[in-house]
Amino acid sequence: AQKVTQAQTEISVVEKEDVTLDCVYETRDTTYYLFWYKQPPSGELVFLIRRNSFDEQNEISGRYSWNFQKSTSSFNFTITASQVVDSAVYFCALSEAISSNQFYFGTGTSLTVIP
Amino acid sequence: NAGVTQTPKFQVLKTGQSMTLQCAQDMNHEYMSWYRQDPGMGLRLIHYSVGAGITDQGEVPNGYNVSRSTTEDFPLRLLSAAPSQTSVYFCASSYSVSGVDTQYFGPGTRLTVL
Repeated sequence: AQKVTQAQTEISVVEKEDVTLDCVYETRDTTYYLFWYKQPPSGELVFLIRRNSFDEQNEISGRYSWNFQKSTSSFNFTITASQVVDSAVYFCALSEAISSNQFYFGTGTSLTVIP
Repeated sequence: NAGVTQTPKFQVLKTGQSMTLQCAQDMNHEYMSWYRQDPGMGLRLIHYSVGAGITDQGEVPNGYNVSRSTTEDFPLRLLSAAPSQTSVYFCASSYSVSGVDTQYFGPGTRLTVL
């Protein structure tokens, strides 16, 4: 079964619009971590954020914000006032304490910001 | 620190050829791993290592071998390349092996098998 689901395959927005990328996860472990990575057109994977299962506090970092809700098993990522440089593929990932640091990645959401 | 480095960046092989993808990190990380990225499938774990001399299989290990003789290096070997192994390969490392820790990725190797 897919442990991480990113239902949005591709999203296009016009510059300065806000956009939310959805991530739904599945785990039976009580201790786990969730991550978001960005993959720009150059291909590298850039770490954005890590959140543990005991910390449901939302986080804001500049134009980025993350909404973690255990009740719905979701860890959504919002970009406010999007910019062309935000165009990339974004991956959500899950790591369970029981699984020796194995990451389970979603299939990614390709975001295109149109100038 | 160079972080996680991978060589080569690009490689073209013929079916049946063998090759080794190199991965090195200079962060003294105990945990290292190899993933492959295919369109529409995200990243899938091939093999991982929790320290020198210790390796284990991930989700898609068939056709690949690994070894970990030093903390710094974690090469991935394709013994007899097949077209199904055409993919982008990422090496990653993290400090912790017992908990859950952020993994830092190398720049990737794009492999094409003809």
